[in-house]
Amino acid sequence: NAGVTQTPKFQVLKTGQSMTLQCAQDMNHNSMYWYRQDPGMGLRLIHYSVGAGITDQGEVPNGYNVSRLNKREFSLRLESAAPSQTSVYFCASSEMVYNEQFFGPGTRLTVL
Amino acid sequence: GEDVEQSLFLSVREGDSSVINCTYTDSSSTYLYWYKQEPGAGLQLLTYIFSNMDMKQDQRLTVLLNKKDKHLSLRIADTQTGDSAIYFCAESHSGGYQKVTFGTGTKLQVIP
Repeated sequence: NAGVTQTPKFQVLKTGQSMTLQCAQDMNHNSMYWYRQDPGMGLRLIHYSVGAGITDQGEVPNGYNVSRLNKREFSLRLESAAPSQTSVYFCASSEMVYNEQFFGPGTRLTVL
Repeated sequence: GEDVEQSLFLSVREGDSSVINCTYTDSSSTYLYWYKQEPGAGLQLLTYIFSNMDMKQDQRLTVLLNKKDKHLSLRIADTQTGDSAIYFCAESHSGGYQKVTFGTGTKLQVIP
């Protein structure tokens, strides 16, 4: 099992460009999450999903859209990237037994 | 809202014990977790404790919970250079979907 996979690993964008970060899990988990990690701020939840077609906002949703077309995949889209969105983005998935979250390796995004 | 706080940095010598501390504000937390993040990787669950427990031991790891003071600690015995990482404290509730709130992370540096 690959666990949680994310693509791409690295990305550089110019202000105003758009892109989609991809995430997939093979653990048959219902819940999936997108976080951003910034120095000294821990992880902040952007959006999450508890099932296919069901998404909700987290702590810092502005500037991001998500899509959960099926149980396996959860994508994060930046429609018009801004320098403030320079960060490391992590996707995670979980079952609800005790909420252990399984993380992907992260995408390092720089917006110039 | 929920808040989880940790000191940012801890330095110990190889072979010594490390103690990483965390305080949280939500008295109704059900699960408390310790995650480890190695450089360039996602977070990985180390251990967790139910809020009705005082202590949990798992090989070199000891978790202590003081529910009255809302204080959680992680002790690593015989710290090794491979323990160098960022350690995140986190909390969540039980029942249905409950988000996990992460602390800012403590960077542990192990000096050979």
